[in-house]
Amino acid sequence: DAGVIQSPRHEVTEMGQEVTLRCKPISGHNSLFWYRQTMMRGLELLIYFNNNVPIDDSGMPEDRFSAKMPNASFSTLKIQPSEPRDSAVYFCASSFIGGHTEAFFGQGTRLTVV
Amino acid sequence: AQSVAQPEDQVNVAEGNPLTVKCTYSVSGNPYLFWYVQYPNRGLQFLLKYITGDNLVKGSYGFEAEFNKSQTSFHLKKPSALVSDSALYFCAAYNAGNMLTFGGGTRLMVKP
Repeated sequence: DAGVIQSPRHEVTEMGQEVTLRCKPISGHNSLFWYRQTMMRGLELLIYFNNNVPIDDSGMPEDRFSAKMPNASFSTLKIQPSEPRDSAVYFCASSFIGGHTEAFFGQGTRLTVV
Repeated sequence: AQSVAQPEDQVNVAEGNPLTVKCTYSVSGNPYLFWYVQYPNRGLQFLLKYITGDNLVKGSYGFEAEFNKSQTSFHLKKPSALVSDSALYFCAAYNAGNMLTFGGGTRLMVKP
C-alpha cells in the first residue's frame, strides 16, 4: 500500500477563496482523522470519522470548515471562505477502529492563505 | 476529558548520552499510548505503542518507553542518543471513543 495520500502537497490561495484538501486513507482502515499543525497551537484534532461517519467535529474551528467522507477511500476538508489565519499544515491519518493499532499519517498539505 | 501533556518544549542532550522525553496522560479507562516522531517537512512516523502487557515497550530506532500507571506517565527513552535523532516527538493517546489526542510535542536536539 502507498500509505495515506494527501493532495495537494502545497496550496497557496487568496483570502476569501475556497480551499479543498483531499485524503485517501490506507485501504482497509476504517477510521480517519484530520489534524492541523501550527507553531502556536501544535497538532490539533479537527474531526474524525469511523466507518465514514463523523464522530467528533468539536475541533473544527468555525463554520467555514467542513469535512466529508463519502466512501471508505476518500475524504475532503473544505475551507470556505479561507482566511490568512487558516495557514497551517493539514494532516490526514487513518487507522483501524479500536486504538490497538497505530495511525498512519499522510505527508500533509501546507496551506498558505495570502 | 482526555489530555496528553509533554511538559518540555525542548530537550537538549549530547550525542552518546541517554535521553528522556516526558509524557503524562489523562485518559478514562485503559490507556492506549503512542509515540511518534516528525522530521522537518514530513508527516508523523510511528515509533512505538503501549496497549497492554509489559510496561517497558521497545520500538523503532532503539527507542523504548516505560508505562507507569501510578504516575500516569509514558516517557520515551533511548540509552545513547544520535545526532540523527534530532526531531519533534509527539506522545498520543486513544480514548474509548477512538479519538486520538496528541501532546504539544517536544523538540529533541542532540549535539555532537
